[in-house]
Amino acid sequence: KQEVTQIPAALSVPEGENLVLNCSFTDSAIYNLQWFRQDPGKGLTSLLLIQSSQREQTSGRLNASLDKSSGRSTLYIAASQPGDSATYLCAVRNDYKLSFGAGTTVTVRA
Amino acid sequence: EAGVAQSPRYKIIEKRQSVAFWCNPISGHATLYWYQQILGQGPKLLIQFQNNGVVDDSQLPKDRFSAERLKGVDSTLKIQPAKLEDSAVYLCASSLSRGPNEQYFGPGTRLTVT
Repeated sequence: KQEVTQIPAALSVPEGENLVLNCSFTDSAIYNLQWFRQDPGKGLTSLLLIQSSQREQTSGRLNASLDKSSGRSTLYIAASQPGDSATYLCAVRNDYKLSFGAGTTVTVRA
Repeated sequence: EAGVAQSPRYKIIEKRQSVAFWCNPISGHATLYWYQQILGQGPKLLIQFQNNGVVDDSQLPKDRFSAERLKGVDSTLKIQPAKLEDSAVYLCASSLSRGPNEQYFGPGTRLTVT
């Protein structure tokens, strides 16, 4: 059974600082890994999807890396802004199932 | 392109009552998912449909939860009778197919059982 862990559970940084969010998974036989953002009371917004054959994906200030052999992914958010405050979830795809971590709640202080 | 629609957005019921949630996926998406997200946890898959057939309901508490997807489009998830531990956000998602395609999520329904 796939286990997905996200550390830390919460993070508070001043505006402008770079954010580093970690995700680890136990079964490396994955199809892809996806990072989501969740605002309070809202659904999930997909940020980046990395296929198992890829090492990283970039979108604007976001960069996600994937090391499948070690079961790790990292989401980098450059020059954080108060609008980046949210919960960030990673999810890995095995077979036809998506397994989620519990998320990292980020607060960016103005 | 319209996203995944869900209703209602919020629901408060007493334990032992019944409740139903509705989901309309993105047009053309064959695969539909229902997830349960308890506060402080990641979403957990309850049931997955491919068109109007169930492909995975291994984590659905079948003694009280039921779901259907008539005509392979809209879906409803029902809880009867509800328990306190069913308080959660119920998320619906859809994707083009069962393959490793991106899943798109709706806004969710927040259920509170008192």
